Amino acid sequence: EDQVTQSPEALRLQEGESSSLNCSYTVSGLRGLFWYRQDPGKGPEFLFTLYSAGEEKEKERLKATLTKKESFLHITAPKPEDSATYLCAVGKTSYDKVIFGPGTSLSVIP
Amino acid sequence: EPEVTQTPSHQVTQMGQEVILRCVPISNHLYFYWYRQILGQKVEFLVSFYNNEISEKSEIFDDQFSVERPDGSNFTLKIRSTKLEDSAMYFCASSRDRVYSSGNTIYFGEGSWLTVV
Repeated sequence: EDQVTQSPEALRLQEGESSSLNCSYTVSGLRGLFWYRQDPGKGPEFLFTLYSAGEEKEKERLKATLTKKESFLHITAPKPEDSATYLCAVGKTSYDKVIFGPGTSLSVIP
Repeated sequence: EPEVTQTPSHQVTQMGQEVILRCVPISNHLYFYWYRQILGQKVEFLVSFYNNEISEKSEIFDDQFSVERPDGSNFTLKIRSTKLEDSAMYFCASSRDRVYSSGNTIYFGEGSWLTVV
């Protein structure tokens, strides 16, 4: 069965303290791994799509990487405004849907 | 930047009543979706819609649910007889191409929070 897990469930960082979030997946026919940011009471906001192992994407303080079994979202020198839940989702060949993981709730303390 | 818009932002309904949630997808997008998120749980896929028909649906999307694109801009989710367990945030989403097409992105709306009492 297809599965997407994320760790840790929650992460509390001091401002400027870099860290990584993990997304592990067991999916047959992976066709895209997506990272989204979700603020409380809001919809998922697109961050990155990765398609193949070894691929990396960057946006401001965020960098996403992909291996054959997992993806990492690295946050460098985070600021309080980076506080949110970060969602990982996977797409599959021939399927018109993405499967979301449970998310990592990130809090960045000033 | 183009966005997916949803109405209402919040609706309270009595159990057994019908509810229609409305969405305006991004204008040049061809694929439309509904997802839902029960409080504290994962975002779950409900249904995808392309070329005026359902292309895929989940086990959650049973006979009480239906989707429609009544005109060139709106996309609706109807819940025929609401149950307490239908209380959730419902997200509409759209994309220009299929999920698995290279370079494609799914954009989500801000959600409609449905409370069934």
